[in-house]
Parts: sequence; structure tokens; C-alpha cells
Amino acid sequence: RKEVEQDPGPFNVPEGATVAFNCTYSNSASQSFFWYRQDCRKEPKLLMSVYSSGNEDGRFTAQLNRASQYISLLIRDSKLSDSATYLCVVNLYNFNKFYFGSGTKLNVKP
Amino acid sequence: DTGVSQNPRHKITKRGQNVTFRCDPISEHNRLYWYRQTLGQGPEFLTYFQNEAQLEKSRLLSDRFSAERPKGSFSTLEIQRTEQGDSAMYLCASSPGGQGVRRGYTFGSGTRLTVV
Repeated sequence: RKEVEQDPGPFNVPEGATVAFNCTYSNSASQSFFWYRQDCRKEPKLLMSVYSSGNEDGRFTAQLNRASQYISLLIRDSKLSDSATYLCVVNLYNFNKFYFGSGTKLNVKP
Repeated sequence: DTGVSQNPRHKITKRGQNVTFRCDPISEHNRLYWYRQTLGQGPEFLTYFQNEAQLEKSRLLSDRFSAERPKGSFSTLEIQRTEQGDSAMYLCASSPGGQGVRRGYTFGSGTRLTVV
């Protein structure tokens, strides 16, 4: 079983829509959680960390549900520039490496 | 530029040749990581250094792969006797040590390897 699982999508949404992605992780000892954004043929870039209490950064909201072992990302008022692959990332108890999901592809259309 | 720098950006090599990639991390970061990413997949962990010490290696890192970070600054990843299955994007990342890793990694632009 993979450490981190994501729906690969693609999610095709119109501009202005609200879209949400979920990701599940298998190890209950996981301690740090992140969402990374990756544009085609580019490196992943940190979008936001995910805190236990949930956190928001502009149009982006991240939530963590430890009991069910999932993380979510909500994007409000989608922009064309939000089109990318969103990678869910989990860091286990030893902090030595991150486990990446395969990514969820988002296409925002005019 | 204070980001993570990787060279070369692209490498095309014939099967059986050796290749070497270089990564220059953010200068104040003492942790350096190598990941590999193939199409449609997320990055997969290969190895990590804390300063000059290589502390962990993935089972993905066969004996044809070797990584070094001789002075705790830049790192090299060498692949010997390349195979077509080695074709991938090789990503380097760095982070502060200790609790600083909770702020996430910073990735370089990657080296895209094509083995023909």
C-alpha cells in the first residue's frame, strides 16, 4: 500500500469555481503535512503546510483529519493560473524524508 | 540566486554510459535530498544527507547509483551503466535541519535524464 494516495483527476473546472482535493495517508505516526504545486515539467513548489487546526492562505484552505487520516485542499474562485498538479506530502516520525502522492491534476478552463 | 541549483537541466545519454548530476543547495541548509520522478508519479525518495553524512538510502538506489556530498555543501549523483529505466527527472531538495524541516523542502529545477 502506498504511503500517500490521491485521486489523479483530472479535475476540469470553470474559472471561479470552488474545487476540493483529498488525500489519504497510511501511517498514523505521520507528523507533518504539506501541499505542493507542480507545473508541467517543472519542480514541485511548496503551496502550504497543513496544520492540525486547519489553515488558510488567500483562496486556499487546507484541513487535516487525523482520525480519518486524510488531508484536504480547497481552492476558491479558481483562476486559470491554478491549473497544475497538486501533490499531497506527508512526513513521517523520523523527519528524514517526505512521501509524495502521485498528484491530482487540475485544469481550470475559461 | 539563493535557491537550489541543479546542473545540467537536461541530459541525453546512450545506454551503458555513466552520468553525473550536481546539486547546490541553499547555503544555510544542512540537509540535502535526492528524489526521482517519472511521468505521472510523485517524487520518490532516493537518498538524503545531513551535512556530509549520507544517512539514508532507498532500495530504489541500486548499486549503479552513488551519491556524495564531500564537504557538506554541493552534492553529486552518479549513475553508472545507465539503463532506459533510469530515464526520469532527478530532483534535489534542501531543508534546514531539526524542526526546520517542518517548513518543507525547497526543490531545484531538476535534471531530466533521457537514456536512449
